[in-house]
Amino acid sequence: GENVEQHPSTLSVQEGDSAVIKCTYSDSASNYFPWYKQELGKRPQLIIDIRSNVGEKKDQRIAVTLNKTAKHFSLHITETQPEDSAVYFCAASKNGGFKTIFGAGTRLFVKA
Amino acid sequence: SAVISQKPSRDICQRGTSLTIQCQVDSQVTMMFWYRQQPGQSLTLIATANQGSEATYESGFVIDKFPISRPNLTFSTLTVSNMSPEDSSIYLCSVEDPSDNEKLFFGSGTQLSVL
Repeated sequence: GENVEQHPSTLSVQEGDSAVIKCTYSDSASNYFPWYKQELGKRPQLIIDIRSNVGEKKDQRIAVTLNKTAKHFSLHITETQPEDSAVYFCAASKNGGFKTIFGAGTRLFVKA
Repeated sequence: SAVISQKPSRDICQRGTSLTIQCQVDSQVTMMFWYRQQPGQSLTLIATANQGSEATYESGFVIDKFPISRPNLTFSTLTVSNMSPEDSSIYLCSVEDPSDNEKLFFGSGTQLSVL
């Protein structure tokens, strides 16, 4: 079955710096790669996603890149702010959300 | 989008007892999902609940421990039975986005502590 590995498990950056979180997946048939942000005590929320027919997608300060050949995808956050502090989960799926497999999560700390 | 109401938000329970968690969605959905998030861990799918049929459980989860009801297209319950401290986790219900079934919406979660 699908396996999603996520690194690093913890990331600490200074406010204004960039943060990069990397994931790899095992099932070459996976075609949808969402990223969820979970603030402390809150529900996970989708912040950005990318489909397998696209190599890069950007939404303001966040961007996601996908390398299908290497089965890698990454989340990039620029100009980080304290409110970016949260746990970020990458995920991979095919044929519907119910098949979503989540990575282990990255705890991001943005120091003011 | 979909708005999901989940309750209780937290509970402290004695071992050997059971707790039922409720999840209400503001629109009709075919499937509802139940996840477990152990402290500091990722999201693990417990089961998928379809209206009118038995839930489908993932490896490592059984109906006797986690019975699920799905009486209609907007509501589901998950019961954590005969609880032990190892069941202390956050339990989340989830649905697919009605307009894009790849995307998931989550309830606010139930923080369960078993003493």
